Amino acid sequence: DAGVTQSPTHLIKTRGQQVTLRCSPKSGHDTVSWYQQALGQGPQFIFQYYEEEERQRGNFPDRFSGHQFPNYSSELNVNALWLGDSALYLCASSLFVNPEMNTEAFFGQGTRLTVV
Amino acid sequence: DAKTTQPPSMDCAEGRAANLPCNHSTISGNEYVYWYRQIHSQGPQYIIHGLKNNETNEMASLIITEDRKSSTLILPHATLRDTAVYYCIVRVVIAAGNKLTFGGGTRVLVKP
Repeated sequence: DAGVTQSPTHLIKTRGQQVTLRCSPKSGHDTVSWYQQALGQGPQFIFQYYEEEERQRGNFPDRFSGHQFPNYSSELNVNALWLGDSALYLCASSLFVNPEMNTEAFFGQGTRLTVV
Repeated sequence: DAKTTQPPSMDCAEGRAANLPCNHSTISGNEYVYWYRQIHSQGPQYIIHGLKNNETNEMASLIITEDRKSSTLILPHATLRDTAVYYCIVRVVIAAGNKLTFGGGTRVLVKP
């Protein structure tokens, strides 16, 4: 059973460019969340997708956008990259049952984005 | 979001139990306590979670105080591979599932 897979594993971009990161959830999962982890800090919630819609968003600008496909996979897009966007981007998947049901989130290994 | 407070770091001897404390004094009645760990440059790994009762699985035990304002993660026999950053998280229920709010975590170093 494949876990959460992310691609690419590493990426170098130039300031002002755009980037797309991809995530395939764990088999059987239907909800995908994205997190940004700067060096030495804990992951910060960006947004969550369920049923192909953004359901909740953290404190991130509109430059960060996403998409979820019918097969539950997801993309994270970042436009007009800043140097400060350099971070490890983590994807987590879970299964939504109802808001009260515990669904542990499984994380991928992340994409290391470096903006130069 | 309910905040958590953890010591920034701690050392543990290999083979001994590691007890990791966490304070979450503003936790709401229906919020769960989750523990994740992150080994260097990898994605966070789920360890255990609980609401009111103590919980145990193959990785660890979770002890939650009766007032739910604090908890302790216990790694019964620490190994060198348990060296990682351990995050105590209060699970916030949102529209579709949950949002995990990570703090700074506790950096645990298991020494031979």
